[in-house]
Amino acid sequence: DADVTQTPRNRITKTGKRIMLECSQTKGHDRMYWYRQDPGLGLQLIYYSFDVKDINKGEISDGYSVSRQAQAKFSLSLESAIPNQTALYFCATSDLTSGGYEQFFGPGTRLTVL
Amino acid sequence: AQSVTQLDSHVSVSEGTPVLLRCNYSSSYSPSLFWYVQHPNKGLQLLLKYTSAATLVKGINGFEAEFKKSETSFHLTKPSAHMSDAAEYFCVVISGGYQKVTFGTGTKLQVIP
Repeated sequence: DADVTQTPRNRITKTGKRIMLECSQTKGHDRMYWYRQDPGLGLQLIYYSFDVKDINKGEISDGYSVSRQAQAKFSLSLESAIPNQTALYFCATSDLTSGGYEQFFGPGTRLTVL
Repeated sequence: AQSVTQLDSHVSVSEGTPVLLRCNYSSSYSPSLFWYVQHPNKGLQLLLKYTSAATLVKGINGFEAEFKKSETSFHLTKPSAHMSDAAEYFCVVISGGYQKVTFGTGTKLQVIP
């Protein structure tokens, strides 16, 4: 869905490097989410934000941080990347108007940590 | 506590035969329930959703699901599988005053010609 964009789409980095993944949305939604996907584990919630001043940890927040720069932008940072953070990362948005807080997903960022 | 259990990690069906992907949930609140599909190397696409209206929900590509509160289930069905249905399917529950989101671990559907 072009309404939710993620950059970069692919990234290869080395252990110990700082990485930022960015998410932007034009849907006007107040809620934004970061997930990681690993084979056999589904999607696990890293962080979520209900508005610019409301940021919450998800199931697996250790090793990650986030910044909600504006309603439309939500960035995920890996302060010191490690190989087990190699995964597919998805950003999503939702809103009360989206019917039960249906999640709208970006295309994903494939991150490889060597 | 809130949880989602997708009972089968892999399901294999022949083309033209029915599809059944099972999902059970646990929630202390009235949930909204969703099925998403992910084709290989693609993002997630909404198939259908239940948000407290009709318990039988119809989605895209001929899929449907029935919310059964007494059984805490939301199984996904399709009368006749097509090769293009081969993908991974995720059941999702959202509930509570804080609208907590929980994904199932996914079911990979294989369609045999």
